[in-house]
Amino acid sequence: DQQVKQNSPSLSVQEGRISILNCDYTNSMFDYFLWYKKYPAEGPTFLISISSIKDKNEDGRFTVFLNKSAKHLSLHIVPSQPGDSAVYFCAASPGGGAQKLVFGQGTRLTINP
Amino acid sequence: GAVVSQHPSRVICKSGTSVKIECRSLDFQATTMFWYRQFPKKSLMLMATSNEGSKATYEQGVEKDKFLINHASLTLSTLTVTSAHPEDSSFYICSARLRFGYEQYFGPGTRLTVT
Repeated sequence: DQQVKQNSPSLSVQEGRISILNCDYTNSMFDYFLWYKKYPAEGPTFLISISSIKDKNEDGRFTVFLNKSAKHLSLHIVPSQPGDSAVYFCAASPGGGAQKLVFGQGTRLTINP
Repeated sequence: GAVVSQHPSRVICKSGTSVKIECRSLDFQATTMFWYRQFPKKSLMLMATSNEGSKATYEQGVEKDKFLINHASLTLSTLTVTSAHPEDSSFYICSARLRFGYEQYFGPGTRLTVT
């Protein structure tokens, strides 16, 4: 049962444009969401997060939007840069004191010059 | 801040031998550490949650006798793959969580190849 889904395995965007990565979830008890970036043969790097009580969080070029009614979150990167090419994972915390995170399958973002 | 290291970064071992992977939080105390496995072009699969001073909690389908986890201090957790087989070849990643907060900080990963 995939509780966190990233339905686009890959995304290609031109440099300077906006990249939008999407993530859907099924568990309404998730109370915190995170985005990670991963390069090949490296561990994921934390990017940005959002609490379920908010609908937007911004940090520099990265903005995460949360739509609780649709159980959907998205990561916007603007402007996109070549160094943003990586695999992006969204993750959710089950809440209720649970410590682990539930990860999506990842989306490979390629920024074209 | 929040740096996590793993050692070794790459290891090749023969079938039947055991391999130990270390995960250290360098600049913070991690009461909880996690061990993941990543298959090629797949998501991160949580293997177990490790709390300092107590037994690890393993995810369904993960053999606790094969993947031994020890979290002896607030900065060190180890994963030992016992009697390794070629199908254990994978990329193993650890992460650590601060006492308060949801974010997990990941190590650089260990590439295990069993021949």
